[in-house]
Amino acid sequence: AQSVTQLGSHVSVSEGALVLLRCNYSSSVPPYLFWYVQYPNQGLQLLLKYTTGATLVKGINGFEAEFKKSETSFHLTKPSAHMSDAAEYFCAVRVNTNAGKSTFGDGTTLTVKP
Amino acid sequence: KAGVTQTPRYLIKTRGQQVTLSCSPISGHRSVSWYQQTPGQGLQFLFEYFSETQRNKGNFPGRFSGRQFSNSRSEMNVSTLELGDSALYLCASSLASSSSTDTQYFGPGTRLTVL
Repeated sequence: AQSVTQLGSHVSVSEGALVLLRCNYSSSVPPYLFWYVQYPNQGLQLLLKYTTGATLVKGINGFEAEFKKSETSFHLTKPSAHMSDAAEYFCAVRVNTNAGKSTFGDGTTLTVKP
Repeated sequence: KAGVTQTPRYLIKTRGQQVTLSCSPISGHRSVSWYQQTPGQGLQFLFEYFSETQRNKGNFPGRFSGRQFSNSRSEMNVSTLELGDSALYLCASSLASSSSTDTQYFGPGTRLTVL
């Protein structure tokens, strides 16, 4: 079975500061990793994903994440926070033996202070 | 290209009733997955349908069921509603082969409130 742990249910940063949202996963088979963002009363929007190949993945809105197998981590970063980044962020893992099923972390709510 | 649509967006039911939620995937997508989102349990996988067959199932009681039609549209049904079924129900579609690398595109969800 797969699992995802997001460290910190709430993260607060100042506008212009670095955003770092932490995600660790557990999987006995090669994982595919995803970050999603959810705004209030909306569905999830994909920010980026890691499948194979380059371990540093760039996504939309200036976000990127690095897959570190040795640390079983897939942390999400953005160099400079913008007010519009305030939302809830979910890390998810999928594996080929369970196609169509994503296992999500509990989410991290990002607050951006002016 | 139109995104994933879910109807209705909001629903209020009473305990013991049943409810049917609908999901229309992106054109050309053959896989539809359903998730339940609650403040206490987070995002939980319900089931996935591919080519009208349930391909994967989460750990939910039999009161939760689904189906997929030949046009890939999917419905989920919850019978004998309980207060704990109050949640945001999200569906996601993907092209979906057997690979989990396909991106899942999520709909806006149906907010179900059980009174």
